[in-house]
Amino acid sequence: EAGVTQFPSHSVIEKGQTVTLRCDPISGHDNLYWYRRVMGKEIKFLLHFVKESKQDESGMPNNRFLAERTGGTYSTLKVQPAELEDSGVYFCASSDSPRTGELFFGEGSRLTVL
Amino acid sequence: GDSVTQMEGPVTLSEEAFLTINCTYTATGYPSLFWYVQYPGEGLQLLLKATKADDKGSNKGFEATYRKETTSFHLEKGSVQVSDSAVYFCALKSSTGGFKTIFGAGTRLFVKA
Repeated sequence: EAGVTQFPSHSVIEKGQTVTLRCDPISGHDNLYWYRRVMGKEIKFLLHFVKESKQDESGMPNNRFLAERTGGTYSTLKVQPAELEDSGVYFCASSDSPRTGELFFGEGSRLTVL
Repeated sequence: GDSVTQMEGPVTLSEEAFLTINCTYTATGYPSLFWYVQYPGEGLQLLLKATKADDKGSNKGFEATYRKETTSFHLEKGSVQVSDSAVYFCALKSSTGGFKTIFGAGTRLFVKA
């Protein structure tokens, strides 16, 4: 069974440009989460999808960030326009049940904004 | 709000040394507690978990006990190996609503041969 996959693994862009990160969850997992880790600090929650619906987007930092999950399958996270402070590692995780607790993570997408 | 605090790293140990990584939490209600591990070049994976007070989670020689009186969930291993070198994250999932998992800052462990 394939795990959670993320693309790209590393993206380097200039301030003001746009980047789109993609996440393919484990097949059959309705719950998909985006997290971000900046400069070795804590992994911060961004948002949670249940199928194609946003269940909780309380962690999205501002309106430069847009997440979508078309058809309840893969998800994209777009940053437009990117700022220096957006640099970090963006993790995607999926789960078949939010109540049991275990999250299955991708390897992360490292974003560097110059 | 809910939060997790864990000891800063890096922690450097020799092979076969005893490991403790401290973790304390703040949460309302009765959260579930987790340790995740991230090996180099990989995503985070669940190491162990405990869902109620006094439960002990264990896996791969690692253990952690859910201590409600001290709001702690310290990770221990009696004899570390070079292959245990990784970043360890303490985390909680609240029982009072919402389904997000809250993570600590991570502790990097280096084990020398």
